[in-house]
Amino acid sequence: DAMVIQNPRYQVTQFGKPVTLSCSQTLNHNVMYWYQQKSSQAPKLLFHYYDKDFNNEADTPDNFQSRRPNTSFCFLDIRSPGLGDAAMYLCATSRDSSGRAGDFGAGTRLSVL
Amino acid sequence: RKEVEQDPGPFNVPEGATVAFNCTYSNSASQSFFWYRQDCRKEPKLLMSVYSSGNEDGRFTAQLNRASQYISLLIRDSKLSDSATYLCVAPGGMGRRALTFGSGTRLQVQP
Repeated sequence: DAMVIQNPRYQVTQFGKPVTLSCSQTLNHNVMYWYQQKSSQAPKLLFHYYDKDFNNEADTPDNFQSRRPNTSFCFLDIRSPGLGDAAMYLCATSRDSSGRAGDFGAGTRLSVL
Repeated sequence: RKEVEQDPGPFNVPEGATVAFNCTYSNSASQSFFWYRQDCRKEPKLLMSVYSSGNEDGRFTAQLNRASQYISLLIRDSKLSDSATYLCVAPGGMGRRALTFGSGTRLQVQP
């Protein structure tokens, strides 16, 4: 059974139209991450939560926001998607920050028209 | 210098061959490392963890060289199903908690 679940699997939005991607986990992990992965590139970390402690990467555009209302759920909000934001968005979790491997969801593939 | 660097490949090898990938990392304080496998248009899946000098799991061997700050992944007796991108992952530097991915090495095993 999938333990990190992302919805939707595929999302199509229009240029400038806000979109929200969701991630839920049944692992009770403290840390949740959002990565952006474009074709033939490595996953790029956007931000992560350690419990409620939000950690933004320095080069993450302001257009990207995140919410974590509880341990199980984390959301990625893209306020005004541009064509360059089309990518696979991967959610991952890990138990703590001691450098354990993360468990990934299947990803949401975002298209921007 | 990038935190985690890999040769992007592609590595094209025949079935049954032995192939090795290297990955260098910049954070000398890192204690743990991982190899993930990613199939086309799928999420990364953990292949191996490396906490000390190395780890072996069947046809796969991961080795860590702390003095030279690199990790290697050796695949013996390559199968067609090993064709994928292999991502090297290390804990982030500068006190960051999150994992940092290398750009991946593509492997294509040919019949």
